[in-house]
Amino acid sequence: EDKVVQSPLSLVVHEGDTVTLNCSYEVTNFRSLLWYKQEKKAPTFLFMLTSSGIEKKSGRLSSILDKKELSSILNITATQTGDSAIYLCAVGAGGTSYGKLTFGQGTILTVHP
Amino acid sequence: EAGVVQSPRYKIIEKKQPVAFWCNPISGHNTLYWYRQNLGQGPELLIRYENEEAVDDSQLPKDRFSAERLKGVDSTLKIQPAELGDSAVYLCASSFVYGNSPLHFGNGTRLTVT
Repeated sequence: EDKVVQSPLSLVVHEGDTVTLNCSYEVTNFRSLLWYKQEKKAPTFLFMLTSSGIEKKSGRLSSILDKKELSSILNITATQTGDSAIYLCAVGAGGTSYGKLTFGQGTILTVHP
Repeated sequence: EAGVVQSPRYKIIEKKQPVAFWCNPISGHNTLYWYRQNLGQGPELLIRYENEEAVDDSQLPKDRFSAERLKGVDSTLKIQPAELGDSAVYLCASSFVYGNSPLHFGNGTRLTVT
């Protein structure tokens, strides 16, 4: 059974701090790893990492995929209160499970002013 | 581009009652997903459609849950009868099945069973 584990489960920081969120996975026929941000409503897409694109950056957020270690990190620098959210990691499968996406339990990030 | 639309946003029912959720995916997306998200947890897949075919329903509790996607566009998820443990947020998502296409989620339906 495919498995995605995130750590830490929750994190409290102050504005300006840098945070690193972790995601590890065990999945048959790995195809992609995605990061989502979830505030009060729907998860919104941040990054997708694949074998051909193991590093992504957008503003203060960046992510790296380590296929050897079966893991990924999401970095947020100079955090702001608006970064407070649940960050979800999901892994996409290929092969006969093409299109299947398995989520981790999420990391709850709280940024205090 | 309109996003994934779900309705209703909230639903409160008594246990043993039926309930239905509706989803309209992004135009052109041929894959549709229903996920259930319990408080403090990540979304769990219930069923995945490619066009009108359910290609993965292994996590759907078939004794009380059913889903359909007529004409490969809109989808309905039904629970009958609902149990207390069904209280959760039900998320619909859509994507293109081919290529590296991320899922786009709707705002979800928050179900409370009393």
